[in-house]
Amino acid sequence: DQQVKQNSPSLSVQEGRISILNCDYTNSMFDYFLWYKKYPAEGPTFLISISSIKDKNEDGRFTVFLNKSAKHLSLHIVPSQPGDSAVYFCAASYYKLSFGAGTTVTVRA
Amino acid sequence: DAGVTQSPTHLIKTRGQQVTLRCSPKSGHDTVSWYQQALGQGPQFIFQYYEEEERQRGNFPDRFSGHQFPNYSSELNVNALLLGDSALYLCASNGGGTSGANVLTFGAGSRLTVL
Repeated sequence: DQQVKQNSPSLSVQEGRISILNCDYTNSMFDYFLWYKKYPAEGPTFLISISSIKDKNEDGRFTVFLNKSAKHLSLHIVPSQPGDSAVYFCAASYYKLSFGAGTTVTVRA
Repeated sequence: DAGVTQSPTHLIKTRGQQVTLRCSPKSGHDTVSWYQQALGQGPQFIFQYYEEEERQRGNFPDRFSGHQFPNYSSELNVNALLLGDSALYLCASNGGGTSGANVLTFGAGSRLTVL
């Protein structure tokens, strides 16, 4: 039962432009949402999070938006840099963490 | 400061065998979780250990078992291996107990191949 879905398996963006990653969830009990980033041969690393009581959280170039009524969240990366090329996982928490399948981001020079 | 360390990094087993994977959490962390990541999928929660007890469990059969030691390190055991158990097994640790709001620190994983 896939409760967290990332429907875009890949995203290609030019350096300096905005990257927008999307995530949908089905469980209305989720109360915390996180984004993790993964490079090859490394474990996922925490990027940014948002509580269900908020609709936006910003950290430098990264902003996460939460639309609870639509059960949708998105991650914006502005501006995109070559080092941002990685797999991005959306995760949602209610006692335990559920992950989406990931979106592979490629930033073109 | 060492993060989460896992061993072995790669291993190959045959169907029906048993495997033990090991994890040392990040210094200062007391809670360990295990995840299975199949090819092309996101990590799937197996179970979580805190205070040497299994606190939460995902939808995995009893062939998957674990243990946490007094020094917070942990083992994941899988019995009667199936081809479908081939995956990357990730260990993650956090401080602050079992709250779902805790940020996890992941290890690089153990790549298990079952032939």
